[in-house]
Amino acid sequence: DAGVTQSPTHLIKTRGQHVTLRCSPISGHKSVSWYQQVLGQGPQFIFQYYEKEERGRGNFPDRFSARQFPNYSSELNVNALLLGDSALYLCASSPDTGTTNEKLFFGSGTQLSVL
Amino acid sequence: LAKTTQPISMDSYEGQEVNITCSHNNIATNDYITWYQQFPSQGPRFIIQGYKTKVTNEVASLFIPADRKSSTLSLPRVSLSDTAVYYCLVAPFSGGYNKLIFGAGTRLAVHP
Repeated sequence: DAGVTQSPTHLIKTRGQHVTLRCSPISGHKSVSWYQQVLGQGPQFIFQYYEKEERGRGNFPDRFSARQFPNYSSELNVNALLLGDSALYLCASSPDTGTTNEKLFFGSGTQLSVL
Repeated sequence: LAKTTQPISMDSYEGQEVNITCSHNNIATNDYITWYQQFPSQGPRFIIQGYKTKVTNEVASLFIPADRKSSTLSLPRVSLSDTAVYYCLVAPFSGGYNKLIFGAGTRLAVHP
């Protein structure tokens, strides 16, 4: 079975631009969550979606938005990019047992560089 | 939210047992302890999860004392491929993913 897939793997943008990152969860997984990982730090939670509804949001500005599609894939959008948005963006899927500490399956991420 | 404290880095040699301890003094009654492993340019990978006493799987063991204020991830007979960052998370059974806090993790380097 395919794991969590993310695209693109690498992306270079300039300040002020907009970016869309995509994620396909493991087949059968209904929950998708997004994380930002700055070099040298652990992943930081951005969003969780389940059945196309936002279930949770981390401490990120409104420039960050996301959505989930009927096939459970998801997009993360970031507007008005700042240099500080440069990071590895990770997507994780889970079967969604309704618990916070269920096992997460992460993709390999999208490395975003903002110049 | 229960905060965790781990060593920043550890060094070991192939074939040795490695124990990484995580401190979580203000762990709540309904919190679980979870460990993830992350290789460069990859997302974290679930290793093990526990609530109390000892949990063992094919990859590692997790030791949790009775007071649950700390936990120890034990990796038996490490190899070079175990070189990675290891994260300890403490999260409640419910309450949302914003309660999943990854710290800076422990960078384990395994030497020949």
